[in-house]
Amino acid sequence: KNQVEQSPQSLIILEGKNCTLQCNYTVSPFSNLRWYKQDTGRGPVSLTIMTFSENTKSNGRYTATLDADTKQSSLHITASQLSDSASYICVVNKLSGNTPLVFGKGTRLSVIA
Amino acid sequence: GAGVSQSPRYKVAKRGQDVALRCDPISGHVSLFWYQQALGQGPEFLTYFQNEAQLDKSGLPSDRFFAERPEGSVSTLKIQRTQQEDSAVYLCASTGQAGNIQYFGAGTRLSVL
Repeated sequence: KNQVEQSPQSLIILEGKNCTLQCNYTVSPFSNLRWYKQDTGRGPVSLTIMTFSENTKSNGRYTATLDADTKQSSLHITASQLSDSASYICVVNKLSGNTPLVFGKGTRLSVIA
Repeated sequence: GAGVSQSPRYKVAKRGQDVALRCDPISGHVSLFWYQQALGQGPEFLTYFQNEAQLDKSGLPSDRFFAERPEGSVSTLKIQRTQQEDSAVYLCASTGQAGNIQYFGAGTRLSVL
């Protein structure tokens, strides 16, 4: 079983609408949780990083939340744009520093006009 | 360059052929990571360097995979006697000494026929 589970697997929304992507993880001990955006044919780009003690972090129209007790995170996208179409990957860091990150499989978001 | 550069972008190999994939990290970045990303999956950790030292190679799937970073900057991932299951995108990421964000290259898409 994957240590980082994301849902939904894919999502289609109309331009201008909001959406929320979910991430459940079992990785322990837990240092921080990251959300990455990966456009087709490109490498992942960091959106947010939250440490164990942080509950929410925003980056423009992206807002990530974290509940370390239930080991759940969400990424909320507000007023979606066509350029938001990408895979969104939840990544959990087992320990602080540069130790291996555990990646989810991602949610494929398609924003249509 | 300003970002992580990987070459080639695409590589087609016949089964049994050896391949070498190159990664140029962001100048001055101490840590370098290699990941393997299968179609529709999240990246999976292969190996990690701090300067020229390979500190973790636990993710390398077999002894056919070998990575080096002899001068602490450019890194090469070598795959010997390629198999069809090696077909994937190979991503390289680097991170600075003080930072926690990994900056990814665009990846090399390897297709083994």
